[in-house]
Amino acid sequence: AQSVAQPEDQVNVAEGNPLTVKCTYSVSGNPYLFWYVQYPNRGLQFLLKYITGDNLVKGSYGFEAEFNKSQTSFHLKKPSALVSDSALYFCAVRFRPGYSSASKIIFGSGTRLSIRP
Amino acid sequence: EPEVTQTPSHQVTQMGQEVILRCVPISNHLYFYWYRQILGQKVEFLVSFYNNEISEKSEIFDDQFSVERPDGSNFTLKIRSTKLEDSAMYFCASTPPGHSTNNEQFFGPGTRLTVL
Repeated sequence: AQSVAQPEDQVNVAEGNPLTVKCTYSVSGNPYLFWYVQYPNRGLQFLLKYITGDNLVKGSYGFEAEFNKSQTSFHLKKPSALVSDSALYFCAVRFRPGYSSASKIIFGSGTRLSIRP
Repeated sequence: EPEVTQTPSHQVTQMGQEVILRCVPISNHLYFYWYRQILGQKVEFLVSFYNNEISEKSEIFDDQFSVERPDGSNFTLKIRSTKLEDSAMYFCASTPPGHSTNNEQFFGPGTRLTVL
């Protein structure tokens, strides 16, 4: 079964420090991996995706993620955190069942990122 | 920049009542989805919709749920007889034409449904 795991419920980082939000996945076949961010009382915003190609993908707001096939991980990173990065982050895997015309997203449980000034 | 819109932002209803949640996907998108997020929990897939029919539905999406694209722009989720456990944030999403797996889904801001 396709799944993603986010082992940390909360990550706390000081502003200006690098941040990492962890994600591991379990998929059959090629993984299509995504990161979304949710600000309070807002919908989900797309940050970045890995489909194929370079293992390091860059996304919105200075975020990047590294796809590691051997470790089945797709950790989200940012070199220098901002207070405004504080939000709920979801790792997700997307796949299309063979019988379906459309695909669906399986989300991780989410990690709350808190950046202190 | 085009975006997915949802109405209402908050819906309060009595248990047993019918509710309709409305979504306007991005205009050239072809794949449509509903997800829900119970407070404090993960976002869960409900249903996908393509070419005027359901592509896939989760086990959550039982006979009390239905979706419709009545007029080529709106995409609705109907819950026939709401239960307390239907209280959640409901998100609509859409994907542009092309390979539906490669493209990211664009999410609306959500409708918070409260069942009393």
